[in-house]
Amino acid sequence: DVKVTQSSRYLVKRTGEKVFLECVQDMDHENMFWYRQDPGLGLRLIYFSYDVKMKEKGDIPEGYSVSREKKERFSLILESASTNQTSMYLCASSFRRQGQILYLYEQYFGPGTRLTVT
Amino acid sequence: RKEVEQDPGPFNVPEGATVAFNCTYSNSASQSFFWYRQDCRKEPKLLMSVYSSGNEDGRFTAQLNRASQYISLLIRDSKLSDSATYLCVVNMKNGGSQGNLIFGKGTKLSVKP
Repeated sequence: DVKVTQSSRYLVKRTGEKVFLECVQDMDHENMFWYRQDPGLGLRLIYFSYDVKMKEKGDIPEGYSVSREKKERFSLILESASTNQTSMYLCASSFRRQGQILYLYEQYFGPGTRLTVT
Repeated sequence: RKEVEQDPGPFNVPEGATVAFNCTYSNSASQSFFWYRQDCRKEPKLLMSVYSSGNEDGRFTAQLNRASQYISLLIRDSKLSDSATYLCVVNMKNGGSQGNLIFGKGTKLSVKP
């Protein structure tokens, strides 16, 4: 079974703190993603990565950065946490089929980190 | 038109009922389609992929209509444990060399005894 783990289930931070959210997958997936999920807004893509050291902005990258130094690990960084970043953060991973750029395999999610910024 | 649109529900049905969800998508070039299930305060989990010819997995049937750009999920003989939010997921090409999966906001199902 695919396993995606996230470093914390619940996290409380203060405004202005630097926050690191870690995600690890054990299936040798090329793609990794960070989403946030808020009531009424659904899942929104923050950043994604197709390979080690590669990253691309999603729909809402402002206030976030990412790091992918190893294939299995994808980190989300909140440079200076703000109260509007209080949310559920979900990491996901998937295979990427070579040469078929329009087809994407299903994504597998970690359990999520519920972040509260006070 | 929103990229992926679903009726938010809630759908309240009795045990044993048959319930159907529809989802429309805007990008006619989309190639991959999925239904995910999300329980309250949990992560989304893949329920089933949706293939052009339609596919069935036990009580669940998924259909794709490319001409009308919608996918559907049919649940037969509903169980209490089917209560969850069902997310429609479609891939979209977003200008770069890779597409992304776009998640609908979900349809909430509540199955009552």
